[in-house]
Amino acid sequence: TQLLEQSPQFLSIQEGENLTVYCNSSSVFSSLQWYRQEPGEGPVLLVTVVTGGEVKKLKRLTFQFGDARKDSSLHITAAQTGDTGLYLCAGSPHRNKLVFGAGTILRVKS
Amino acid sequence: GAVVSQHPSRVICKSGTSVKIECRSLDFQATTMFWYRQFPKQSLMLMATSNEGSKATYEQGVEKDKFLINHASLTLSTLTVTSAHPEDSSFYICSAGDRGPYGYTFGSGTRLTVV
Repeated sequence: TQLLEQSPQFLSIQEGENLTVYCNSSSVFSSLQWYRQEPGEGPVLLVTVVTGGEVKKLKRLTFQFGDARKDSSLHITAAQTGDTGLYLCAGSPHRNKLVFGAGTILRVKS
Repeated sequence: GAVVSQHPSRVICKSGTSVKIECRSLDFQATTMFWYRQFPKQSLMLMATSNEGSKATYEQGVEKDKFLINHASLTLSTLTVTSAHPEDSSFYICSAGDRGPYGYTFGSGTRLTVV
C-alpha cells in the first residue's frame, strides 16, 4: 500500500472543463507538495502547502491542505491543453525523505 | 532558484556493462540527494537517499550492490547501475533541495535502455 493515495489515476477531459485531483493519507504530514511532470523530464514543483486548512492559488490552479494535514487537493479551473501532464503529490513522512503518490495522468483535449 | 543537472539524459548500453549517472546541484550545496526510478506512466519510486560523506540509505527491495551510489562532494552524487540487464531499463531521476522537506528540485532524468 502506498503512503499517499492519489486519485483519479487517469483523467481525460475537454478544454474548458474543471477537474480535481485528490491526495489522501492516513498519516499526518508537516507539508505536502504538488509536482507536474512532462514526458522525458523531471517533475517540477508547483506548490508546497504547510498549514492545515491552507489554500493556495497559482493562476487557474487551487491547492488545498486538509485541516488535519492528512490530505490535499488540486483543482484546475477551465483546463487548457497545456495542462496535460502527470500530476504528483508528495510528502515527507520522515525528515529529508520525499515519497510520491501514484500520480494522475491528465489529458486535456481541444 | 535551485538547479539540479543530471547527465546523461539518455544512454543505451549492452547487457552486462555498467552505467554511471551523475547528479549535480549547480548553485547550492546538497548534503542529501535522492535517486528515483520511474516506469512509463507511473509515479516515482524512491530507490535511495544519498548522503554526502557517508553510505547511502537504500529503500527496501533495492539492491545495494546493483545500484552503487557515491556522494563524494556537496554538489555531486552518482548512481552506477552495475552489470545492467534489460529489466534495469527505466527512467532514473535525482533530486536535491535547499529547502528541506518544503520543496525539491529534480534533475531532468536519465533514460536508460539496456539491450
